[in-house]
Amino acid sequence: AQSVTQLGSHVSVSEGALVLLRCNYSSSVPPYLFWYVQYPNQGLQLLLKYTTGATLVKGINGFEAEFKKSETSFHLTKPSAHMSDAAEYFCAASRSSGGYQKVTFGTGTKLQVIP
Amino acid sequence: KAGVTQTPRYLIKTRGQQVTLSCSPISGHRSVSWYQQTPGQGLQFLFEYFSETQRNKGNFPGRFSGRQFSNSRSEMNVSTLELGDSALYLCASSWRDSSYNEQFFGPGTRLTVL
Repeated sequence: AQSVTQLGSHVSVSEGALVLLRCNYSSSVPPYLFWYVQYPNQGLQLLLKYTTGATLVKGINGFEAEFKKSETSFHLTKPSAHMSDAAEYFCAASRSSGGYQKVTFGTGTKLQVIP
Repeated sequence: KAGVTQTPRYLIKTRGQQVTLSCSPISGHRSVSWYQQTPGQGLQFLFEYFSETQRNKGNFPGRFSGRQFSNSRSEMNVSTLELGDSALYLCASSWRDSSYNEQFFGPGTRLTVL
Protein backbone atom coordinates (compact mmCIF):
# COMPACT_ATOMS: atom_id res chain seq x y z
CA ALA A 1 0.00 0.00 0.00
CA GLN A 2 1.13 3.48 -0.78
CA SER A 3 1.26 6.18 1.90
CA VAL A 4 2.51 9.73 2.20
CA THR A 5 3.71 11.25 5.46
CA GLN A 6 4.15 14.96 6.02
CA LEU A 7 6.08 15.72 9.16
CA GLY A 8 4.63 18.68 11.01
CA SER A 9 1.07 19.82 10.54
CA HIS A 10 2.12 23.41 11.27
CA VAL A 11 5.40 25.10 10.42
CA SER A 12 6.30 28.71 11.28
CA VAL A 13 9.15 30.62 9.69
CA SER A 14 10.22 34.24 9.70
CA GLU A 15 9.94 36.26 6.55
CA GLY A 16 13.17 35.81 4.61
CA ALA A 17 14.06 32.53 6.31
CA LEU A 18 14.43 29.14 4.70
CA VAL A 19 11.26 27.13 4.19
CA LEU A 20 11.55 23.34 4.58
CA LEU A 21 8.46 21.15 4.41
CA ARG A 22 9.03 17.43 4.77
CA CYS A 23 7.43 14.62 2.81
CA ASN A 24 8.18 10.91 2.89
CA TYR A 25 6.48 8.27 0.82
CA SER A 26 6.09 4.59 1.42
CA SER A 27 5.90 2.51 -1.69
CA SER A 28 7.64 -0.56 -3.02
CA VAL A 29 7.90 1.19 -6.37
CA PRO A 30 8.93 4.85 -6.44
CA PRO A 31 5.83 6.80 -7.38
CA TYR A 32 5.43 10.06 -9.21
CA LEU A 33 5.49 12.85 -6.65
CA PHE A 34 3.75 16.19 -6.44
CA TRP A 35 3.53 19.22 -4.19
CA TYR A 36 0.33 21.24 -4.17
CA VAL A 37 -0.48 24.49 -2.38
CA GLN A 38 -3.87 25.57 -1.11
CA TYR A 39 -4.66 29.17 -0.26
CA PRO A 40 -7.66 29.94 1.98
CA ASN A 41 -11.01 29.23 0.35
CA GLN A 42 -9.40 27.92 -2.80
CA GLY A 43 -8.67 24.58 -4.40
CA LEU A 44 -5.24 23.02 -4.66
CA GLN A 45 -2.71 24.33 -7.14
CA LEU A 46 0.28 22.40 -8.44
CA LEU A 47 3.64 23.73 -7.26
CA LEU A 48 5.88 21.13 -8.86
CA LYS A 49 6.13 17.48 -9.75
CA TYR A 50 8.72 14.76 -10.14
CA THR A 51 8.23 12.11 -12.77
CA THR A 52 11.58 11.03 -14.17
CA GLY A 53 14.96 12.54 -14.89
CA ALA A 54 16.57 15.22 -12.76
CA THR A 55 15.92 14.64 -9.10
CA LEU A 56 15.95 18.35 -8.23
CA VAL A 57 12.71 19.83 -9.44
CA LYS A 58 11.98 23.53 -9.65
CA GLY A 59 8.46 24.81 -9.37
CA ILE A 60 6.54 28.03 -9.26
CA ASN A 61 7.04 30.87 -6.79
CA GLY A 62 10.68 29.92 -6.12
CA PHE A 63 9.95 26.51 -4.61
CA GLU A 64 11.94 23.41 -5.36
CA ALA A 65 12.02 19.81 -4.17
CA GLU A 66 14.53 17.01 -4.33
CA PHE A 67 13.61 13.39 -4.87
CA LYS A 68 15.81 11.12 -2.79
CA LYS A 69 15.06 7.49 -3.48
CA SER A 70 17.39 6.19 -0.77
CA GLU A 71 15.54 8.25 1.83
CA THR A 72 12.09 7.87 0.19
CA SER A 73 11.74 11.62 0.58
CA PHE A 74 10.55 14.57 -1.47
CA HIS A 75 11.06 17.62 0.75
CA LEU A 76 9.94 21.04 -0.41
CA THR A 77 12.21 24.05 0.07
CA LYS A 78 12.34 27.76 -0.64
CA PRO A 79 15.42 29.84 0.23
CA SER A 80 13.57 32.90 1.44
CA ALA A 81 10.00 32.91 2.74
CA HIS A 82 7.59 35.60 1.68
CA MET A 83 4.39 36.59 3.42
CA SER A 84 2.43 35.41 0.40
CA ASP A 85 3.74 31.85 0.96
CA ALA A 86 1.43 31.43 3.94
CA ALA A 87 -0.84 28.57 2.89
CA GLU A 88 -1.35 24.84 3.31
CA TYR A 89 0.94 22.52 1.39
CA PHE A 90 0.15 18.97 0.35
CA CYS A 91 2.51 16.30 -0.85
CA ALA A 92 1.03 13.60 -3.09
CA ALA A 93 2.19 10.35 -4.62
CA SER A 94 0.74 8.78 -7.73
CA ARG A 95 1.26 5.41 -9.31
CA SER A 96 -0.56 2.99 -11.52
CA SER A 97 -2.58 0.40 -9.71
CA GLY A 98 -4.90 -2.08 -11.34
CA GLY A 99 -4.77 -0.20 -14.62
CA TYR A 100 -5.61 3.22 -13.30
CA GLN A 101 -3.98 6.08 -11.46
CA LYS A 102 -3.99 5.98 -7.68
CA VAL A 103 -3.20 9.24 -5.92
CA THR A 104 -2.44 9.46 -2.22
CA PHE A 105 -2.23 12.80 -0.43
CA GLY A 106 -0.41 13.63 2.76
CA THR A 107 -2.29 15.27 5.60
CA GLY A 108 -0.95 18.71 4.75
CA THR A 109 1.34 21.25 6.42
CA LYS A 110 0.15 24.75 7.22
CA LEU A 111 2.92 27.27 6.72
CA GLN A 112 2.84 30.44 8.78
CA VAL A 113 5.18 33.27 7.81
CA ILE A 114 6.00 35.71 10.59
CA PRO A 115 6.86 39.27 9.61
CA LYS B 1 -8.46 27.59 -21.20
CA ALA B 2 -11.07 27.71 -18.44
CA GLY B 3 -10.23 25.93 -15.20
CA VAL B 4 -12.24 23.42 -13.25
CA THR B 5 -15.53 24.89 -12.12
CA GLN B 6 -17.69 23.72 -9.28
CA THR B 7 -21.22 24.72 -8.45
CA PRO B 8 -22.52 25.81 -6.12
CA ARG B 9 -19.66 27.34 -4.15
CA TYR B 10 -21.56 27.33 -0.88
CA LEU B 11 -24.44 25.23 0.32
CA ILE B 12 -26.35 24.98 3.57
CA LYS B 13 -28.53 21.94 4.19
CA THR B 14 -30.18 20.29 7.16
CA ARG B 15 -29.76 16.76 8.40
CA GLY B 16 -31.63 14.17 6.39
CA GLN B 17 -31.68 16.18 3.19
CA GLN B 18 -29.81 15.26 0.07
CA VAL B 19 -27.47 17.35 -2.03
CA THR B 20 -26.02 17.29 -5.53
CA LEU B 21 -22.74 18.97 -6.37
CA SER B 22 -21.53 19.64 -9.88
CA CYS B 23 -18.09 19.74 -11.44
CA SER B 24 -17.05 20.80 -14.94
CA PRO B 25 -13.51 19.68 -15.77
CA ILE B 26 -11.04 21.42 -18.00
CA SER B 27 -11.92 20.92 -21.63
CA GLY B 28 -10.38 17.71 -22.91
CA HIS B 29 -9.88 16.18 -19.48
CA ARG B 30 -11.55 12.81 -19.12
CA SER B 31 -10.69 11.92 -15.54
CA VAL B 32 -12.58 13.51 -12.65
CA SER B 33 -11.90 12.79 -9.00
CA TRP B 34 -13.77 13.94 -5.92
CA TYR B 35 -12.31 14.61 -2.49
CA GLN B 36 -13.72 15.54 0.89
CA GLN B 37 -11.61 17.94 2.91
CA THR B 38 -12.14 18.50 6.62
CA PRO B 39 -9.85 20.01 9.27
CA GLY B 40 -9.61 16.74 11.16
CA GLN B 41 -9.27 14.24 8.31
CA GLY B 42 -7.50 16.22 5.64
CA LEU B 43 -8.10 15.24 2.02
CA GLN B 44 -10.10 12.05 1.71
CA PHE B 45 -10.58 10.44 -1.69
CA LEU B 46 -14.21 9.80 -2.60
CA PHE B 47 -14.20 8.41 -6.13
CA GLU B 48 -12.78 8.80 -9.60
CA TYR B 49 -14.49 8.66 -12.95
CA PHE B 50 -12.96 8.17 -16.34
CA SER B 51 -15.01 8.16 -19.54
CA GLU B 52 -18.26 7.81 -17.58
CA THR B 53 -17.03 4.81 -15.59
CA GLN B 54 -16.25 4.80 -11.90
CA ARG B 55 -12.81 3.27 -11.64
CA ASN B 56 -11.87 3.82 -8.05
CA LYS B 57 -13.76 4.44 -4.84
CA GLY B 58 -12.67 5.52 -1.39
CA ASN B 59 -13.94 4.32 1.95
CA PHE B 60 -17.17 6.25 2.17
CA PRO B 61 -20.67 4.94 2.84
CA GLY B 62 -23.11 4.30 0.06
CA ARG B 63 -24.82 7.62 0.78
CA PHE B 64 -22.07 9.13 -1.33
CA SER B 65 -22.47 8.50 -5.02
CA GLY B 66 -21.43 10.08 -8.26
CA ARG B 67 -21.65 9.93 -11.98
CA GLN B 68 -19.97 11.30 -15.05
CA PHE B 69 -21.62 12.39 -18.24
CA SER B 70 -20.47 11.99 -21.82
CA ASN B 71 -19.08 15.54 -21.82
CA SER B 72 -16.95 14.60 -18.75
CA ARG B 73 -18.95 16.78 -16.40
CA SER B 74 -19.48 15.06 -13.10
CA GLU B 75 -21.91 15.20 -10.24
CA MET B 76 -21.75 13.80 -6.77
CA ASN B 77 -24.73 13.17 -4.58
CA VAL B 78 -24.97 12.78 -0.85
CA SER B 79 -28.22 11.43 0.51
CA THR B 80 -29.51 11.54 4.08
CA LEU B 81 -27.05 14.21 5.13
CA GLU B 82 -25.36 13.97 8.51
CA LEU B 83 -23.65 16.70 10.51
CA GLY B 84 -20.31 15.04 9.81
CA ASP B 85 -20.76 15.58 6.09
CA SER B 86 -19.98 19.27 6.55
CA ALA B 87 -16.81 19.77 4.55
CA LEU B 88 -15.18 21.30 1.52
CA TYR B 89 -15.78 19.04 -1.47
CA LEU B 90 -13.11 19.32 -4.11
CA CYS B 91 -13.25 18.14 -7.67
CA ALA B 92 -10.09 17.55 -9.69
CA SER B 93 -9.61 16.73 -13.33
CA SER B 94 -6.70 15.37 -15.29
CA TRP B 95 -6.07 14.77 -18.94
CA ARG B 96 -5.89 11.04 -18.84
CA ASP B 97 -5.22 8.27 -16.45
CA SER B 98 -1.47 8.44 -16.44
CA SER B 99 0.25 8.51 -13.09
CA TYR B 100 2.45 11.41 -14.06
CA ASN B 101 -0.38 13.74 -14.95
CA GLU B 102 -1.11 16.29 -12.28
CA GLN B 103 -4.63 17.01 -11.14
CA PHE B 104 -6.27 20.38 -11.62
CA PHE B 105 -8.54 21.34 -8.77
CA GLY B 106 -11.65 23.41 -8.67
CA PRO B 107 -12.30 25.95 -5.89
CA GLY B 108 -14.55 23.51 -4.06
CA THR B 109 -18.08 23.49 -2.71
CA ARG B 110 -18.38 24.36 0.97
CA LEU B 111 -21.22 22.23 2.39
CA THR B 112 -22.61 23.03 5.81
CA VAL B 113 -25.07 20.60 7.37
CA LEU B 114 -27.17 21.97 10.22
